[in-house]
Amino acid sequence: DIQLTQSPSFLSASVGDRVTITCRASPGIASYLAWYQQKPGKAPNLLIYAASTLQSGVPSRFSGSGSATEFTLTISSLQPEDFATYYCQQLNSYPLLTFGGGTKVEIQ
Amino acid sequence: QVQLQESGPGLVKPSETLSLTCTVSGGSIGSNFWSWIRQPPGRGLEWIGNIFYNGYTNYNPSFKSRVAISVDTYTDQLSLNLGSVTAADTAVYYCARELTGYYEGVFDYWGQGILVTVSS
Repeated sequence: DIQLTQSPSFLSASVGDRVTITCRASPGIASYLAWYQQKPGKAPNLLIYAASTLQSGVPSRFSGSGSATEFTLTISSLQPEDFATYYCQQLNSYPLLTFGGGTKVEIQ
Repeated sequence: QVQLQESGPGLVKPSETLSLTCTVSGGSIGSNFWSWIRQPPGRGLEWIGNIFYNGYTNYNPSFKSRVAISVDTYTDQLSLNLGSVTAADTAVYYCARELTGYYEGVFDYWGQGILVTVSS
């Protein structure tokens, strides 16, 4: 099975900060990775797929990069509405789909 | 705008079957895979399985033979049945639509989720 490990699990940051979240895959998954944002009590929202393709309607301050075993989600300038939990998800082993453990971004 | 809405009982007794329905509106249920995903309280996301409009299904082996997903293209609904439930099946259950083509498995629309508690 493919394992996804996100780091950090918890991140404290301020509005305007540049934030980077890492997702490591074992074994490698080419570019078959998506990122989601989830706010409390809400369903996840797709941010990025194919490792770096921004979903329609998602602000350009979000970006994704990486391939194979290491991926990053970057928020270039953290906004108040960005405080949430972020999950990576792999689809390399489709139809068996798995998610990372999540990274909670909180206000410093 | 595609919308998904889960419905069903919020409380299920141990050893019984959890049954949920997801109603799709604003778009056809055809040409996409549709998934069920769950999230135990305070924890991460777990993919349960998916179905194509023609009834073709895929399941997470973790659920072995306990799970069944079906689709009704006349009512644009998909259903989840999970048998022999225990407290470990307490979770928010989501239905979600997958992108088509090369990136099937990416979820672009989600329902709001429904909390199902397993308790006697």
